[in-house]
Amino acid sequence: EAAVTQSPRNKVTVTGGNVTLSCRQTNSHNYMYWYRQDTGHGLRLIHYSYGAGNLQIGDVPDGYKATRTTQEDFFLLLELASPSQTSLYFCASSGGLGENTGQLYFGEGSKLTVL
Amino acid sequence: QQKVQQSPESLTVSEGAMASLNCTFSDGTSDNFRWYRQHSGKGLEMLVSIFSDGEKEEGRFTAHLNRASLHVSLHIREPQPSDSAVYLCAVRPNYNVLYFGSGTKLTVEP
Repeated sequence: EAAVTQSPRNKVTVTGGNVTLSCRQTNSHNYMYWYRQDTGHGLRLIHYSYGAGNLQIGDVPDGYKATRTTQEDFFLLLELASPSQTSLYFCASSGGLGENTGQLYFGEGSKLTVL
Repeated sequence: QQKVQQSPESLTVSEGAMASLNCTFSDGTSDNFRWYRQHSGKGLEMLVSIFSDGEKEEGRFTAHLNRASLHVSLHIREPQPSDSAVYLCAVRPNYNVLYFGSGTKLTVEP
């Protein structure tokens, strides 16, 4: 079973604060993704990467930076957090969605509250 | 950019009655459409993945795809209270990403 681990699971910060969400996968997957989940919007893609040093922009990248330091580790950075970024964040990994059975493996989510 | 919309926002059915969920998408060139389920406080579980027009069955879950109508649906046969969850439609416009809809909250009453 593919493993994707996120930390922290819960985080509270203030407006203007600096937050880093971490994600590690131990499946040797090339692709990693950051999504945010909000009521009424479902899952929205923030950034994704297909390898160390690579970064691709998703649908809602404004206010977020991301960095893929190794094949295993993908970080999401909020340098000036705003209340609109209060959300549940999911990291996911995949060996490639191009195969007939290619799957996304999700972490358990990180709940961020910006006061 | 792919737009994915789901309806209804919420649905309540009785145990044993068929549940039908709908999803429309904006880009007909996408080649893969998936349905996921998310129980409260949990991660996502993929239910069915469909590539061609027509239907694809996985146990009690059946997806129907009509690419010309930009529509994919999910039908749940004999739903049980344990099927109560949020159901998410996802569309793959290329090999690298999935775009998700906003979800349908399904409640199955005993």
